[in-house]
Amino acid sequence: LAKTTQPISMDSYEGQEVNITCSHNNIATNDYITWYQQFPSQGPRFIIQGYKTKVTNEVASLFIPADRKSSTLSLPRVSLSDTAVYYCLVSAPSTGFQKLVFGTGTRLLVSP
Amino acid sequence: DVKVTQSSRYLVKRTGEKVFLECVQDMDHENMFWYRQDPGLGLRLIYFSYDVKMKEKGDIPEGYSVSREKKERFSLILESASTNQTSMYLCASRTGGIRGELFFGEGSRLTVL
Repeated sequence: LAKTTQPISMDSYEGQEVNITCSHNNIATNDYITWYQQFPSQGPRFIIQGYKTKVTNEVASLFIPADRKSSTLSLPRVSLSDTAVYYCLVSAPSTGFQKLVFGTGTRLLVSP
Repeated sequence: DVKVTQSSRYLVKRTGEKVFLECVQDMDHENMFWYRQDPGLGLRLIYFSYDVKMKEKGDIPEGYSVSREKKERFSLILESASTNQTSMYLCASRTGGIRGELFFGEGSRLTVL
């Protein structure tokens, strides 16, 4: 099961680009990388998912190098409302079933 | 919209009591999960289920059991609650397969006195 490592916290200012990197050195060939966002008193919600290279949606980009041992979530021009905890997740297929394990997450604080 | 509903947002129980946390999803998802969340520890997987009456242990199953009698409902059971089980409990569901996002409920905050 691929273990993920992320920075505990990051600080930024409104309007800046924020990059959060996740390390997953023992990722398996079929694993996907998924990022979730969690606000206080709420369950996490899906942001983006990828397998390799780059994926972009309306809220974020995900960069995955060729060796797939890390991934970077990029949030363009953050606002105060992006203050949250961000989790990197590596799916781990085992006998066809999904054991989805979260790490400790990165607490992002966006200041004015 | 997918909806995952947890029966109680806040519960207060006494040590030794049996506690049931109920979770219902309305999107016919095969997989359901129970996590607990504690400060500094992130989300930890307790149990998950990939089909009715099927379950698998997560990373911290000790002191917990689960029940999935119907596809839409996944219950977490604390047979004899202890103070170290005071936590936020989060239920989630998703479709089967390697992809697909998790949909979470709003959480149940349990306090064991």
